[in-house]
Amino acid sequence: DAGVIQSPRHEVTEMGQEVTLRCKPISGHDYLFWYRQTMMRGLELLIYFNNNVPIDDSGMPEDRFSAKMPNASFSTLKIQPSEPRDSAVYFCASTLGTAGNIQYFGAGTRLSVL
Amino acid sequence: KQEVTQIPAALSVPEGENLVLNCSFTDSAIYNLQWFRQDPGKGLTSLLLIQSSQREQTSGRLNASLDKSSGRSTLYIAASQPGDSATYLCAVTWSGNTPLVFGKGTRLSVIA
Repeated sequence: DAGVIQSPRHEVTEMGQEVTLRCKPISGHDYLFWYRQTMMRGLELLIYFNNNVPIDDSGMPEDRFSAKMPNASFSTLKIQPSEPRDSAVYFCASTLGTAGNIQYFGAGTRLSVL
Repeated sequence: KQEVTQIPAALSVPEGENLVLNCSFTDSAIYNLQWFRQDPGKGLTSLLLIQSSQREQTSGRLNASLDKSSGRSTLYIAASQPGDSATYLCAVTWSGNTPLVFGKGTRLSVIA
């Protein structure tokens, strides 16, 4: 398996624009997590899914953030409208529920909102 | 609130030294604890995972220990090398298949 795949790797956009981040989990994994990493706050959970159903979205900072998982092999994180304080690295991770919660991380998307 | 703390935030050592990185967590009833490595501008690489029933795990020059009663874990790196320079993150879950709670990491520099 190619691992968790995120796209794009880098995104530069202007304030007010819509941004969509994409994640393909490892095939067969039934949990998917979105994390955000900033210098100030470190790595924090945004939302996670089990079998494509959102379980906990308490980490989503505002209504400007939304996440979907239409099927087992694809998830999106959308920010609309984007703001400079959204600049961060966004990571996606997946795990198999019966495998002791060993989470595998994608390479991340580095987002810069100007 | 369940939190993970790592001290120090940064560490610089000469090549060849043995070193210890520290991680502490609130609420000792953890499910498991993982140590990750992150190179600048890169993703996370899992180094070691310790289940709550285990006391330590070893991989090559790395040894991670867990003391739940004191809420602490250490990552021991033997005979450090410049290639070990990276940020090391500790992460904890308090139940299965739940999100990891991360420390802010220790940035390690090994000087040749």
